[in-house]
Amino acid sequence: EVQLVESGGGLVQPGGSLRLSCAASGFTFSGSWMRWARQTPGKGLEWVADIKSDGSEKNYVDSVKGRFTISRDNAKNSLFLQMNSLRAEDTAVYYCARGWYWALDIWGQGTMVTVSS
Amino acid sequence: QSALTQPPSASGSPGQSVTISCTGTSSDVGGYNYVSWYQQHPGKAPKLMIYEVSKRPSGVPDRFSGSKSGNTASLTVSGLQVEDEANYYCTSFAGSKYWVFGGGTKLTVL
Repeated sequence: EVQLVESGGGLVQPGGSLRLSCAASGFTFSGSWMRWARQTPGKGLEWVADIKSDGSEKNYVDSVKGRFTISRDNAKNSLFLQMNSLRAEDTAVYYCARGWYWALDIWGQGTMVTVSS
Repeated sequence: QSALTQPPSASGSPGQSVTISCTGTSSDVGGYNYVSWYQQHPGKAPKLMIYEVSKRPSGVPDRFSGSKSGNTASLTVSGLQVEDEANYYCTSFAGSKYWVFGGGTKLTVL
């Protein structure tokens, strides 16, 4: 079965860190661009970061540059998002998704990140 | 405020057609044929419905169609069904390796 499963979300204080993971199965992970997106009730969906299939290229939305790091382990079919210096505005459901023909065709179920004291 | 502008709501009766717009600029929607549309039911992950402006992934009913004119993309749902009631989001490549989303449109099937 083709699927993505996120984990690692939770409650963290402002300024804290969290590492999200995304386990892929059912498709050739090592051949796919992968992306993190997030969703809040107030701002809707937002692209956060993406990473090329071999990890050689990474891109970030301006609001997370210098704080978040996307990475992958193709041997373990896993995608990661290291989030440091977290702010209240980072509170959201975080999704990992597969890039396909300039779109996202496979999405995980999402993991909730809450930044609050 | 989202980069792409969508109407907050749209509605139609079963069997009717409804069109949802997605307005951007020449730097995103108007500059690239990389607009995609997603359907999201409450509590669920988004589902890809249209990619590259007008292409349908396998398994998506042909009742769903996409188009673009200038800086505005559109999603049309024909022959509305009850299960089409959901939130719909557009997204576009915006150059410099960036992607932008619309704020979403809640489609109600009356």
